[in-house]
Amino acid sequence: AQTVTQSQPEMSVQEAETVTLSCTYDTSESDYYLFWYKQPPSRQMILVIRQEAYKQQNATENRFSVNFQKAAKSFSLKISDSQLGDAAMYFCAYRIPYSGGGADGLTFGKGTHLIIQP
Amino acid sequence: NAGVTQTPKFQVLKTGQSMTLQCAQDMNHEYMSWYRQDPGMGLRLIHYSVGAGITDQGEVPNGYNVSRSTTEDFPLRLLSAAPSQTSVYFCASRPGTGGNQPQHFGDGTRLSIL
Repeated sequence: AQTVTQSQPEMSVQEAETVTLSCTYDTSESDYYLFWYKQPPSRQMILVIRQEAYKQQNATENRFSVNFQKAAKSFSLKISDSQLGDAAMYFCAYRIPYSGGGADGLTFGKGTHLIIQP
Repeated sequence: NAGVTQTPKFQVLKTGQSMTLQCAQDMNHEYMSWYRQDPGMGLRLIHYSVGAGITDQGEVPNGYNVSRSTTEDFPLRLLSAAPSQTSVYFCASRPGTGGNQPQHFGDGTRLSIL
């Protein structure tokens, strides 16, 4: 079974600084997708960024970027120029392509609580 | 666009009661799924559906039932509520084509079983 591990239960960063959230995963698959979701206190699940395993280039979305290391099974999220609105729980998630042989769904890590200090 | 709509937002049940959590999406997504989120945990997959009439179990299916009679709706039924089912429940949907398409989530239902 696939597992996703987020080793940092909580991280704190000063506003305008850069922070990196860690995520590792365990899989025997070669084709899969990785996602970072943000969950603010409103409990909405908001997609931050996604990465296809077959792409070597790291995904970026404005101030958010990832460091995808396929051999190391690592998928960290970097947030640049942190803003107060970035404060939330961040979940790393993994999914394989649905082909009828397994469930269509995300496997989540336990999350990292990100605190932004003003 | 409403996206994924879950009702109710909050519910309190007594042990042994049954209820249905509703989920509807207006994006014509083929794939839908239900997750539960417990304190200190990420979301865990309960059941999923890859089209009308097709459902299957996820990681934690016991005590829950689903059906999918239309593309839009994917209700989750608790047959006999137990305190261990106290949780926040999320419904999600995604297109059936384009494997990298992310799940779109509803706003969740907070369910307490007394």
